[in-house]
Amino acid sequence: DAGVIQSPRHEVTEMGQEVTLRCKPISGHDYLFWYRQTMMRGLELLIYFNNNVPIDDSGMPEDRFSAKMPNASFSTLKIQPSEPRDSAVYFCASTWGGVGGDTQYFGPGTRLTVL
Amino acid sequence: RKEVEQDPGPFNVPEGATVAFNCTYSNSASQSFFWYRQDCRKEPKLLMSVYSSGNEDGRFTAQLNRASQYISLLIRDSKLSDSATYLCVVNRRGGGSQGNLIFGKGTKLSVKP
Repeated sequence: DAGVIQSPRHEVTEMGQEVTLRCKPISGHDYLFWYRQTMMRGLELLIYFNNNVPIDDSGMPEDRFSAKMPNASFSTLKIQPSEPRDSAVYFCASTWGGVGGDTQYFGPGTRLTVL
Repeated sequence: RKEVEQDPGPFNVPEGATVAFNCTYSNSASQSFFWYRQDCRKEPKLLMSVYSSGNEDGRFTAQLNRASQYISLLIRDSKLSDSATYLCVVNRRGGGSQGNLIFGKGTKLSVKP
């Protein structure tokens, strides 16, 4: 069974450009999470969805960041306009509701570099 | 005080050594605890859950001390393949509260031949 799929794996862009990161959760999982990881701040939760509905976006750093989940098998994280301080690894993770759902399954991440 | 704190290391140990990591958490209402492992340039993966009574999985032993609000991970007979960063993870709320995992920054372990 495929795990969480993210694309692209690497993205290099210039400041001011729009960046779109994509995620396909594990089939059957009804929770989806977007995290950002940097050396300075570690792994930070940006936003999470339950049944395609955003539940908590308090971790989204500012209005330049937006996330959508149009259906159960696809989510996007968009940064517009991008800035050098957005450079990080962005992980998507998924899990299911109920007992055992504390275990989150992470995708391989997207390594974003903003020049 | 940070919600989850870990010694960043690195811990450099020889093969076969026993190594222990500690982690402290600030929210006394936290209910669930975990250790995740993250290899270099890879995603975090669950290593083991931490139960109140302590639990063991092969060479790995996890302990929880609620009174002192700390969690430990003991690795016995360390292998080269154990080299990774170990993330302490706390769920702020009870089981089923999937959106409340707080990750520590991790402790880096390097096992040398």
